[in-house]
Amino acid sequence: EAGVTQFPSHSVIEKGQTVTLRCDPISGHDNLYWYRRVMGKEIKFLLHFVKESKQDESGMPNNRFLAERTGGTYSTLKVQPAELEDSGVYFCASSQEVAGANVLTFGAGSRLTVL
Amino acid sequence: AQSVTQPDIHITVSEGASLELRCNYSYGATPYLFWYVQSPGQGLQLLLKYFSGDTLVQGIKGFEAEFKRSQSSFNLRKPSVHWSDAAEYFCAVLYNFNKFYFGSGTKLNVKP
Repeated sequence: EAGVTQFPSHSVIEKGQTVTLRCDPISGHDNLYWYRRVMGKEIKFLLHFVKESKQDESGMPNNRFLAERTGGTYSTLKVQPAELEDSGVYFCASSQEVAGANVLTFGAGSRLTVL
Repeated sequence: AQSVTQPDIHITVSEGASLELRCNYSYGATPYLFWYVQSPGQGLQLLLKYFSGDTLVQGIKGFEAEFKRSQSSFNLRKPSVHWSDAAEYFCAVLYNFNKFYFGSGTKLNVKP
């Protein structure tokens, strides 16, 4: 079984530019999550999709961040325009519900560096 | 509010020595607790989880963790550390069945 795949693994952009991160979840997983880790800090929740619908986007920092999951398969997270504080590692995770609690499978992360 | 504290940012142990990584959580209800590990270039891998029942849970790679409600703790242990255990470890609590709160991580170095 293929795992959660994220692309790119590392992106370096200048402040004001746009970056799009992509996540391919495990096939058949309806739940897809985005998390972010700023250097040295905890991993923080950004948002949660169930199929193509946004279930919870309470963690999205501001309207420069746009997440989509067209067709309920892969997801993209676009940052436009990027700011310095957006630097960090963006993790994607997917899951199927297990015993009432979701056990997440994480991707390797996309490291974003904004200069 | 939900939160997870990992008080140790870095820990160094000798290969073969025992290991304990600390985790304390703040959560109003019965917690679902997890430990994940991230090796360089890899995703977060689930080591073990606690949902209910026996408070001592066994995980992969010889790890175990003990849930202590009175101390709001879920410490991770391993009796004998291997060099391949060098990685970053994250404790997490699951809120409302869908949202994880993670600690800030503990980096483990293993001395030969």
